[in-house]
Amino acid sequence: AQSVTQPDIHITVSEGASLELRCNYSYGATPYLFWYVQSPGQGLQLLLKYFSGDTLVQGIKGFEAEFKRSQSSFNLRKPSVHWSDAAEYFCAVGAYSSASKIIFGSGTRLSIRP
Amino acid sequence: DTAVSQTPKYLVTQMGNDKSIKCEQNLGHDTMYWYKQDSKKFLKIMFSYNNKELIINETVPNRFSPKSPDKAHLNLHINSLELGDSAVYFCASSHGTSKGASYNEQFFGPGTRLTVL
Repeated sequence: AQSVTQPDIHITVSEGASLELRCNYSYGATPYLFWYVQSPGQGLQLLLKYFSGDTLVQGIKGFEAEFKRSQSSFNLRKPSVHWSDAAEYFCAVGAYSSASKIIFGSGTRLSIRP
Repeated sequence: DTAVSQTPKYLVTQMGNDKSIKCEQNLGHDTMYWYKQDSKKFLKIMFSYNNKELIINETVPNRFSPKSPDKAHLNLHINSLELGDSAVYFCASSHGTSKGASYNEQFFGPGTRLTVL
């Protein structure tokens, strides 16, 4: 079965600074990988996903993520954060064998320092 | 034009009561889900339906019973509510259910915050 770990519970960065949120997964074959964002009081919204092809994936709101099989990682990056990026970020993993089921990580809360 | 809607948004009730949460999607998706998000923001799938058939049923107490009258609706009924049921419940929908379909984007509703006193 697949699993996903987000080692950082809470990260604070200054507005305009770069951002990297870490995600590690466990799965024997090529996983389906996602990053979702949850703004306060809202549901989750997909930022980007990877399931094959180019390992650098571009998403909405200026985010990108890179799939690194050798490190079992799918870290999320943004070159310059905005105050509106403050939210909870969830990495998730799906698998070919698991029908529609995906497993979410425990989330990383991002705070932005003015 | 809300894609996935849930009612109610807030639900406060006493222990032992029975309550329902409703979910509707207008995206034409054939698969719908219920998730529970606890106070630490951990998000766990509870159920998934495809075209009114149950396809995912995690280890959830049988006090929780999902019902899908049609593929656009998935309701969650909870009997004999307990303090530990307090959480935010999210409905979601997506295309597909076959093997490999877990790469499909899931669209989430705004959540229902359930508080059991």
